[in-house]
Amino acid sequence: DPKIIQKPKYLVAVTGSEKILICEQYLGHNAMYWYRQSAKKPLEFMFSYSYQKLMDNQTASSRFQPQSSKKNHLDLQITALKPDDSATYFCASSQVGNTGQLYFGEGSKLTVL
Amino acid sequence: GNSVTQMQGQVTLSEEEFLFINCTYSTTGYPTLFWYVQYPGEGPQLLLKVTTANNKGSSRGFEATYDKGTTSFHLQKASVQESDSAVYYCVPNSGGSNAKLTFGKGTKLSVKS
Repeated sequence: DPKIIQKPKYLVAVTGSEKILICEQYLGHNAMYWYRQSAKKPLEFMFSYSYQKLMDNQTASSRFQPQSSKKNHLDLQITALKPDDSATYFCASSQVGNTGQLYFGEGSKLTVL
Repeated sequence: GNSVTQMQGQVTLSEEEFLFINCTYSTTGYPTLFWYVQYPGEGPQLLLKVTTANNKGSSRGFEATYDKGTTSFHLQKASVQESDSAVYYCVPNSGGSNAKLTFGKGTKLSVKS
């Protein structure tokens, strides 16, 4: 059974709309992350959370807002979608202090038309 | 910050051939070094890690040695299988806990049967 669940696996949106990507992890980790991978760019870090608090944000745009309603959840809300937002978004988790050893979900592939 | 150079963007081999993927890194401090692998349609997963200079890590027939002198962490496997076809990322991390990982473009391995 997958330990990190991302939903939906695929989604299509129109420019200007809003979507929420869901991530739940069942590894008992206290740190969670979002990464993005597109055809134009390699896998790139977006956010990190530790104990449900934002630790690092490398996303310039405020259109991307992580939301942590529970300690094993880190959703990603994306507003005012643009075609350039088309990418696969990966959620990951780790033990706090376990430097660099991340566990990734299978990703949510977003296409913005 | 951390950076990594993988000169080979793509490697094509036949089954049972020897694999060598070049990796050199540049970091501040004393990094932990990782190799991550990403199979088609999946998120990256940890292949192996080495925390101490001059040590070797190994997993599933792959091995890599942390060479602090040459700042290298090359990946090798004596005999590849078609199922090894994937993208391989060399990832140094010296940023402490929950630090963002820099993945780079990776090396795409294609193994033909």
